[in-house]
Amino acid sequence: DTAVSQTPKYLVTQMGNDKSIKCEQNLGHDTMYWYKQDSKKFLKIMFSYNNKELIINETVPNRFSPKSPDKAHLNLHINSLELGDSAVYFCASSQDRGPRYGYTFGSGTRLTVV
Amino acid sequence: QKEVEQNSGPLSVPEGAIASLNCTYSDRVSQSFFWYRQYSGKSPELIMSIYSNGDKEDGRFTAQLNKASQYVSLLIRDSQPSDSATYLCAVGSNDYKLSFGAGTTVTVRA
Repeated sequence: DTAVSQTPKYLVTQMGNDKSIKCEQNLGHDTMYWYKQDSKKFLKIMFSYNNKELIINETVPNRFSPKSPDKAHLNLHINSLELGDSAVYFCASSQDRGPRYGYTFGSGTRLTVV
Repeated sequence: QKEVEQNSGPLSVPEGAIASLNCTYSDRVSQSFFWYRQYSGKSPELIMSIYSNGDKEDGRFTAQLNKASQYVSLLIRDSQPSDSATYLCAVGSNDYKLSFGAGTTVTVRA
């Protein structure tokens, strides 16, 4: 059983398209996150939800919109995709509201915008 | 200014040697510290956590924390080719975030 699962694993799309990435965790964790990892391996937080409440909303273009229908799911919708959006997007979850116990990461979604 | 900085690497060590990875952080109130290992094309995997000053050992891995110097390190003893990966330092603060360094790539030469 995969603890944090993301779909799709790979996503190739044209500039200007709208796409979504889905994430689900079966760990019973309360908090979920979206991170972006660029080509230099730098992981940067984008959003975090705790029990469906948005608690972290970093400075990202408003073309990116997270949605959490319940505490086990966190989706990321991206409008009007740009070349610079190409990266690996990781979903993660943690036991509580903060990073006290570290995060469990999903396998990532490699987004390529052409 | 970056919040978490790691020695840039890449770090190449012979098999059986000790690999030493360093990390500094800027937020003095940070309370939780982690090392993640990331193989190429894979997701980060938590390998060590440390919360108080001193050393913490787990198998061939030792994490060291010095809050006064805002410094955390990871030692990998008896390095194996399977240890070849990028190691990410992560620091947790009171604002619910886990901030990552840019990573240090380690290559263990057989």
